[in-house]
Amino acid sequence: GESVGLHLPTLSVQEGDNSIINCAYSNSASDYFIWYKQESGKGPQFIIDIRSNMDKRQGQRVTVLLNKTVKHLSLQIAATQPGDSAVYFCAETGSSNTGKLIFGQGTTLQVKP
Amino acid sequence: EAGVAQSPRYKIIEKRQSVAFWCNPISGHATLYWYQQILGQGPKLLIQFQNNGVVDDSQLPKDRFSAERLKGVDSTLKIQPAKLEDSAVYLCASSLAWAVEAFFGQGTRLTVV
Repeated sequence: GESVGLHLPTLSVQEGDNSIINCAYSNSASDYFIWYKQESGKGPQFIIDIRSNMDKRQGQRVTVLLNKTVKHLSLQIAATQPGDSAVYFCAETGSSNTGKLIFGQGTTLQVKP
Repeated sequence: EAGVAQSPRYKIIEKRQSVAFWCNPISGHATLYWYQQILGQGPKLLIQFQNNGVVDDSQLPKDRFSAERLKGVDSTLKIQPAKLEDSAVYLCASSLAWAVEAFFGQGTRLTVV
């Protein structure tokens, strides 16, 4: 699979490969970190979240890793499919814990058939 | 389950005109958010309601933007007068009270000319 350095705007992968999207967050006090997927013309769609007391969480074909030491978050997508093509945003809750989300810059994932 | 409904989907206005957006959240969701998403960026929170009370409006340009959620269900966001830099997608989201997972509508794409 391919991985992206700390925030590259676009990641292009071959269908069937694994994708890794990276994100740096800013607030050490954030309690939750969330990944959203946004397809063209649609609102963001929740993918997976992870609490700050965890290092790893797995979902269906997706894994989120949290490294609090370097304030780094990553989303791994296994066996990437054409339907995974979208912009992916990481978000953090910040210090407010009211549900408010602070979004990072997005990464566009392009899946080549 | 019906999702978050927003209208209109698109709006084009001239600068200095006024515009209003409407949002109907998912039934039972106490928390409602309005986000502004400028092209190529992640969404930015404008205002957050818990039932009909404002939780956070720290990033709302209050000289021109206003929002209300009078009966704790539907919400409207108004801009008066609009500026060119207000061109963006305005996203409404809702969640269960204080929950991390927010559900987004498709958004209203505003173009100010």
